[in-house]
Amino acid sequence: EVQLVESGGGLVQPGGSLRLSCAASGFTFSNYAMTWVRQAPGKGLEWVSCIRGRGDDSYYADSVRGRFTISRDNSQNTLSLQMNSLRAEDTAVYYCAKTRGTNSCGSELNSWGQGILVIVSS
Amino acid sequence: DIQMTQSPSTLSASVGDRVTITCRASQSITRWLAWYQQKPGKAPNLLIYETSSLESGVPSRFSGSGSGTDFTLTISALQPDDSATYYCQQYNTYSFTFGPGTKVDIK
Repeated sequence: EVQLVESGGGLVQPGGSLRLSCAASGFTFSNYAMTWVRQAPGKGLEWVSCIRGRGDDSYYADSVRGRFTISRDNSQNTLSLQMNSLRAEDTAVYYCAKTRGTNSCGSELNSWGQGILVIVSS
Repeated sequence: DIQMTQSPSTLSASVGDRVTITCRASQSITRWLAWYQQKPGKAPNLLIYETSSLESGVPSRFSGSGSGTDFTLTISALQPDDSATYYCQQYNTYSFTFGPGTKVDIK
């Protein structure tokens, strides 16, 4: 059974940094691209970033490019999102999600974590 | 970026009704569209991928169709458990944008 468990969320001041992690199990982690999706309180889903299975390529939404960095450790089955220069509008529940396609970000998201809340506020 | 729109934004229907949700892309996404269901406080759940393929374990009352820029999600006979918000997502072109969602209530 696929399991994705996010951690690292919390309250951070504007301009601050936070690192989210997602522990994956139940599948061959290195074979699949992984994605971060966020949802601001009461709002819809926003695609944030994706990294290919081998970690050789990554993609970002315009709203986070240059501030967020996605990475993965295939030896530890862990996905990360380093978030810098945080803004109030980054406040959201962040979900990690597994793509169906092998090593391709261009695929549907067939497993999701439970989400982790990030609050950016002074 | 490709913009996704959905209509209606909310709908209320009775158990047993046939429900259709429309998703439109600002440019062609061929068949690279998925539908997700999200219940309050929960993560989204994949229902349909590649426009019309039913995800394993999803009831057959859910179906998808379309191509290019216009897509639909149909619930053939609405059930109480279908009360949720439904999102479409294109994965043809980065960034892989979601639609704004359609909230489905049961009358």
